[in-house]
Amino acid sequence: ETGVTQTPRHLVMGMTNKKSLKCEQHLGHNAMYWYKQSAKKPLELMFVYSLEERVENNSVPSRFSPECPNSSHLFLHLHTLQPEDSALYLCASSSSGNLAGELFFGEGSRLTVL
Amino acid sequence: DAKTTQPTSMDCAEGRAANLPCNHSTISGNEYVYWYRQIHSQGPQYIIHGLKNNETNEMASLIITEDRKSSTLILPHATLRDTAVYYCIVRAPSGSARQLTFGSGTQLTVLP
Repeated sequence: ETGVTQTPRHLVMGMTNKKSLKCEQHLGHNAMYWYKQSAKKPLELMFVYSLEERVENNSVPSRFSPECPNSSHLFLHLHTLQPEDSALYLCASSSSGNLAGELFFGEGSRLTVL
Repeated sequence: DAKTTQPTSMDCAEGRAANLPCNHSTISGNEYVYWYRQIHSQGPQYIIHGLKNNETNEMASLIITEDRKSSTLILPHATLRDTAVYYCIVRAPSGSARQLTFGSGTQLTVLP
């Protein structure tokens, strides 16, 4: 039990589908993150939310749309994805300030785009 | 943020100490050294971090050289479950985790 839960764990979708990834944290943290990990590549930071406000958007294509309705939940809405978007999508949370370097990750959602 | 250099892979015998090196010769005075690991197909796991002094917790020990240009993560009694990719990262204390830049890390394989 990591305290950060991601669903679904596996998702297969076509390029015209619309789906969402969900992340929930039970650690009382106030910052949440989406990372992408493609095969044989390092983790790439996609989005950062602090106190439910988006504070980072690393030039991610608009076909990825994050949503943070409260400090415990984070979504990644997916639409018209491309096969190269197939990857492991990881959610993480942290406290703020000096503890922000201690990230707690979920198990990830393995996405396959056909 | 300072960049880090780690060996691509290492092997360690089960029960022995695993010593994972990291070079960060351009580290700034206020940057911390963080270590994470990622077991295959799981999310990364925070291990330990430090600034100047050596640190120890229930998972590992972190030894930072006096000039802070390199560090070593020590797993005192490696088990098969410690097989993972280990990431060494340097990060300033301010700002969000956007400053945590994960590189390629070191693939540690613990052998029976």
